[in-house]
Amino acid sequence: AQSVTQLDSHVSVSEGTPVLLRCNYSSSYSPSLFWYVQHPNKGLQLLLKYTSAATLVKGINGFEAEFKKSETSFHLTKPSAHMSDAAEYFCVVSDLLKGGFKTIFGAGTRLFVKA
Amino acid sequence: EAEVAQSPRYKITEKSQAVAFWCDPISGHATLYWYRQILGQGPELLVQFQDESVVDDSQLPKDRFSAERLKGVDSTLKIQPAELGDSAMYLCASSRPGLAGDAGELFFGEGSRLTVL
Repeated sequence: AQSVTQLDSHVSVSEGTPVLLRCNYSSSYSPSLFWYVQHPNKGLQLLLKYTSAATLVKGINGFEAEFKKSETSFHLTKPSAHMSDAAEYFCVVSDLLKGGFKTIFGAGTRLFVKA
Repeated sequence: EAEVAQSPRYKITEKSQAVAFWCDPISGHATLYWYRQILGQGPELLVQFQDESVVDDSQLPKDRFSAERLKGVDSTLKIQPAELGDSAMYLCASSRPGLAGDAGELFFGEGSRLTVL
């Protein structure tokens, strides 16, 4: 069965410090994994995508994520937080099932960035 | 730049009334999704189309919700009758497979915010 668990509903960091948003997934096959960001009153935007190539994936705005199959994790990191990073972040898993890809979202992690 | 179009952006209705949302995906995207996002939660998949066929509607409350994509292009999501608990953002997304045959990126519209009074 397919599932996504974001381990923290809220994360608070100070500007300039590292960001870690944790995600664990469950998948029957070889999934594609994504991170999306949603700023207040804005649409969902793709940050990065993993599709069985390099396990360390670089995305936009300095974010990156590492796929660890043994830990079924896909944690999102950024070395230095910026005020503009404050938003909701969603980990997403997509599996090829009968009829096409099925894509489900985690519950989200809200990132707060303090000055 | 191609976008997913949705309308209306905002809809206020009274319970027991009928509501309809429209989505026009990016041209060439065979897969179309309707998600519901309740405030403070992640998007929940309601229905997924591959061309004109439904491939997943397991989470669609079929007693009141219906969705169609008659010509495999644009899609309509209907709620009848609306209930207070239907207040949410309704998101449409479209995608096509990646170059390696993997799951492609989902492109989202701006959403339709429904308030049921």
